Amino acid sequence: AQTVTQSQPEMSVQEAETVTLSCTYDTSESDYYLFWYKQPPSRQMILVIRQEAYKQQNATENRFSVNFQKAAKSFSLKISDSQLGDAAMYFCAYHPDLYAGGNEKLTFGTGTRLTIIP
Amino acid sequence: DTGVSQDPRHKITKRGQNVTFRCDPISEHNRLYWYRQTLGQGPEFLTYFQNEAQLEKSRLLSDRFSAERPKGSFSTLEIQRTEQGDSAMYLCASSLRGEGNTEAFFGQGTRLTVV
Repeated sequence: AQTVTQSQPEMSVQEAETVTLSCTYDTSESDYYLFWYKQPPSRQMILVIRQEAYKQQNATENRFSVNFQKAAKSFSLKISDSQLGDAAMYFCAYHPDLYAGGNEKLTFGTGTRLTIIP
Repeated sequence: DTGVSQDPRHKITKRGQNVTFRCDPISEHNRLYWYRQTLGQGPEFLTYFQNEAQLEKSRLLSDRFSAERPKGSFSTLEIQRTEQGDSAMYLCASSLRGEGNTEAFFGQGTRLTVV
């Protein structure tokens, strides 16, 4: 079974600074997808960034980027120029490749609560 | 369409009562998922539908839980004889099954409190 581990229950960062959230996972699959989701207080979870395991290039979305280390099964999220609106719970998630017989059932980590200090 | 909607947002019930939650997915989405999230944890998969067919159920989904998606549109999740351990946030997500489509869109959830 796949597992996702987030070892940082809480993180804080000064506004405009950079922060990195850690995630490791365990799977025997070679093709899969990794995600970072953001869950603001009392609001729905939204996708921040996605990485396909077959792609060597790290995904980037504006101020958000990942460091994907497939051999180490590590998938960290870097947030640059942190803004007050970035405050939320961040969840790392995994699902196997659809064409390898998987579905889009997500396995989540326990989350990291990010606080932005003005 | 403004996204996945769930109703109610909050539900307080007495132990032993039955509750039913509703999820309306994004209209063209053929896949619908239910997750449960307890305090301090990430969401855990409960079940999912491809159109009206329920394709997989987690072992977390005891016999007291039942989900339906009639006509492949909205879905309901019913919990019978609720227990205090059922207190959690119940999240619904939908996605469009197709090549390259792997993003799940989540609703705001239904927070259940069993007293």
